[in-house]
Amino acid sequence: QSALTQPPSASGSPGQSVTISCTGTSSDVGGYNYVSWYQQHPGKAPKLMIYEVSKRPSGVPDRFSGSKSGNTASLTVSGLQAEDEADYYCSSYAGSNGEYVFGTGTKVTVL
Amino acid sequence: QVQLQESGPGLVKPSQTLSLTCTVSGGSISSGSYYWSWIRQPAGKGLEWIGRIYTSGSTNYNPSLKSRVTISVDTSKNQFSLKLSSVTAADTAVYYCARTDGPARVVDYWGQGTLVTVSS
Repeated sequence: QSALTQPPSASGSPGQSVTISCTGTSSDVGGYNYVSWYQQHPGKAPKLMIYEVSKRPSGVPDRFSGSKSGNTASLTVSGLQAEDEADYYCSSYAGSNGEYVFGTGTKVTVL
Repeated sequence: QVQLQESGPGLVKPSQTLSLTCTVSGGSISSGSYYWSWIRQPAGKGLEWIGRIYTSGSTNYNPSLKSRVTISVDTSKNQFSLKLSSVTAADTAVYYCARTDGPARVVDYWGQGTLVTVSS
């Protein structure tokens, strides 16, 4: 399995929106509605922000939203806040053998 | 709320076996439709899924690591473990244990991570 492709960086000013893409194949992103997104601050464990493409766990602000089209999933962060500055990783279920694959990661900077 | 904590040596010599244990608290490791997973992250790099185990003992491994990985579970201690054999410097990373929700196919709870360095 190859890592899912994400842009290395994205940025926006406070209050603006930023969208991160996550491109895979028909064997992972395109084949299942099991795409997740994680936020990771430096030195910390990843935190689940989105699962099953567009569902938010309890406690995650509705500023975070997810979607998918074909082999590409996207995470949008609306109304950017300083605390949203972090690394973001996508992940997808990838097969009947129970494999998971992560994205290459995107560093979001709040200008 | 479930909590996970990794433990094990922080330094392993090349060619030896890396061994880590994850202790689960806040709930029984046997309850619910959960898998128990290991994920790693080299410094400054992305996340890599290593594998997972169900409390029945059923396992799934990353094909690229499968020949060197063994994940086991001890339900009596509420723990699961990782063994990675024949390690090299490329195996130096922060290792996370995590819970995977079976039906939602999502890693939802993570341990804080533990740094393992492979060096002589």
